[in-house]
Amino acid sequence: QKEVEQNSGPLSVPEGAIASLNCTYSDRGSQSFFWYRQYSGKSPELIMFIYSNGDKEDGRFTAQLNKASQYVSLLIRDSQPSDSATYLCAVNVYGNKLVFGAGTILRVKS
Amino acid sequence: EAQVTQNPRYLITVTGKKLTVTCSQNMNHEYMSWYRQDPGLGLRQIYYSMNVEVTDKGDVPEGYKVSRKEKRNFPLILESPSPNQTSLYFCASSLAGSTGELFFGEGSRLTVL
Repeated sequence: QKEVEQNSGPLSVPEGAIASLNCTYSDRGSQSFFWYRQYSGKSPELIMFIYSNGDKEDGRFTAQLNKASQYVSLLIRDSQPSDSATYLCAVNVYGNKLVFGAGTILRVKS
Repeated sequence: EAQVTQNPRYLITVTGKKLTVTCSQNMNHEYMSWYRQDPGLGLRQIYYSMNVEVTDKGDVPEGYKVSRKEKRNFPLILESPSPNQTSLYFCASSLAGSTGELFFGEGSRLTVL
């Protein structure tokens, strides 16, 4: 089992819809969770982090964490074509080791 | 402007010819790390450094060396590159204690023939 798993996609949503991206992790002791966005040909950039169970909102983005079920998700409301990118989930496992998922490709169709 | 700078951005080399990819950050970050990104495999950590003179192996350190003599610089050295090291390389940095809140460089695309 991979330490951090994501559906590779692509996930296609129409403009204005909610995009839901999911990530599961294997280490029950993980405490820190991150979402990065990577445009084609560019470097990853941090868009959200969450440390506590529940929801964390920042503009159109909401990160959701459920430690009991070992999943973290990212919701993008009112999706725009500019949100089309690969979204990488990253989790601190076994202490300070940061492990990335392989990423989910999101396509927002106008 | 806060940034992580990598050089070269693109490089084509031949098997066995030593090369160094430089990485420099201007944010006074303690933590620096190197990743390689390959299709379907995501970002995999090569080496990381918690501070000056402190380095440690990541998940895929074979064939690579690093050094951290100054806080701002963290070069990646390929002593004898092989074709399986053809990849996209990213350097990243963060404040100590926030090793998941990374700032990435623009990436270095390396091809080893």
